[in-house]
Amino acid sequence: AQSVTQLDSQVPVFEEAPVELRCNYSSSVSVYLFWYVQYPNQGLQLLLKYLSGSTLVESINGFEAEFNKSQTSFHLRKPSVHISDTAEYFCAVRSSNTGNQFYFGTGTSLTVIP
Amino acid sequence: DAGITQSPRYKITETGRQVTLMCHQTWSHSYMFWYRQDLGHGLRLIYYSAAADITDKGEVSDGYVVSRSKTENFPLTLESATRSQTSVYFCASSESSGAGRYEQFFGPGTRLTVL
Repeated sequence: AQSVTQLDSQVPVFEEAPVELRCNYSSSVSVYLFWYVQYPNQGLQLLLKYLSGSTLVESINGFEAEFNKSQTSFHLRKPSVHISDTAEYFCAVRSSNTGNQFYFGTGTSLTVIP
Repeated sequence: DAGITQSPRYKITETGRQVTLMCHQTWSHSYMFWYRQDLGHGLRLIYYSAAADITDKGEVSDGYVVSRSKTENFPLTLESATRSQTSVYFCASSESSGAGRYEQFFGPGTRLTVL
């Protein structure tokens, strides 16, 4: 089984400052990596995903994440955050040897301070 | 409505009662999942289903029962609700892939309170 670690449970950051949300996973076998965002009182929405190819993936709203196989990490970054980015962020992993099961981290609560 | 829906959105019940949470998806996805979300635990898998009439336990399945007679529906039943089952429940679905390439799509959640 996989384990996914999001080291920071809460991240406060000022508006227009950069942010990094960290995610590490346990297995070194072939993996597919996802970041989901959850706005208050809503379900989870896919933010971005890494399946193969370029290790840097981007979302439409300015987030990016880099797959680092040697560090088994998939950190999420944004160079300048907005108030509307305030949400809970979940890292998730699927691996080729666990089929269709997802493994989620415990989440990071991002609060953007005006 | 297209997508994945859950009902009810909010439910209050008492200890010992049976409760059923409904999940319906319109994409004909093969896989469906039930999670519970609790502070400090993130999302934990309760049950999942690979297709109609095929279900399997997740990490926190005790006290829960599922069925899947039709591809589009995946109800979750708490046979005898306990206070520890107070949580937010999310249903999700995804396309079938032996290699796991496809993301999951989530419903809006059901907030369940057991008194």
